Amino acid sequence: EAGVAQSPRYKIIEKRQSVAFWCNPISGHATLYWYQQILGQGPKLLIQFQNNGVVDDSQLPKDRFSAERLKGVDSTLKIQPAKLEDSAVYLCASSFFDRVGNTIYFGEGSWLTVV
Amino acid sequence: AQSVTQLGSHVSVSEGALVLLRCNYSSSVPPYLFWYVQYPNQGLQLLLKYTSAATLVKGINGFEAEFKKSETSFHLTKPSAHMSDAAEYFCAVSHGGNDMRFGAGTRLTVKP
Repeated sequence: EAGVAQSPRYKIIEKRQSVAFWCNPISGHATLYWYQQILGQGPKLLIQFQNNGVVDDSQLPKDRFSAERLKGVDSTLKIQPAKLEDSAVYLCASSFFDRVGNTIYFGEGSWLTVV
Repeated sequence: AQSVTQLGSHVSVSEGALVLLRCNYSSSVPPYLFWYVQYPNQGLQLLLKYTSAATLVKGINGFEAEFKKSETSFHLTKPSAHMSDAAEYFCAVSHGGNDMRFGAGTRLTVKP
């Protein structure tokens, strides 16, 4: 079974520029997440989709971050304009419910450096 | 809201020694608990999860964790550390839904 796919793996941009990350979840997983992981910290949820609807975006800095999942499969996370403090790993994950609850599976991450 | 606290941001053990990574949780309802491992430059990989079936949970790579309700703990152990175990380990808690919260992580170093 293919895992969660993300691209690009690495990106370096200057502050005030824009960047977009793409994610393709595991086939059949209705729930998709974007997490931000700053160096030395645990992942922080930015946004969660159930199919193509937003379930939770309470921690998404909406003045500069946006995300969409138009057809309920792939998703894109955009940052515009980027700030130095946005340097982090952006993890996409997907999940499904089975008889023992919900298990989240992560992609390898997109590493962003803002200079 | 649920949360986890990982005691010790860095743990160092010798190869062949016992690995013990500590995690305490806070939850108002019976929790689901997880351990994830993150190798350098990679995403998070699920090691094991507790879903109220058995208190001792066995995971991949020889790791296991025991759920202790009286201590609100879910510590991760491995009897004998291997060099390949060096990584960042994250404890996480949810209520079975889409509400997972992660700890700050513990970096495990294995000395030869």
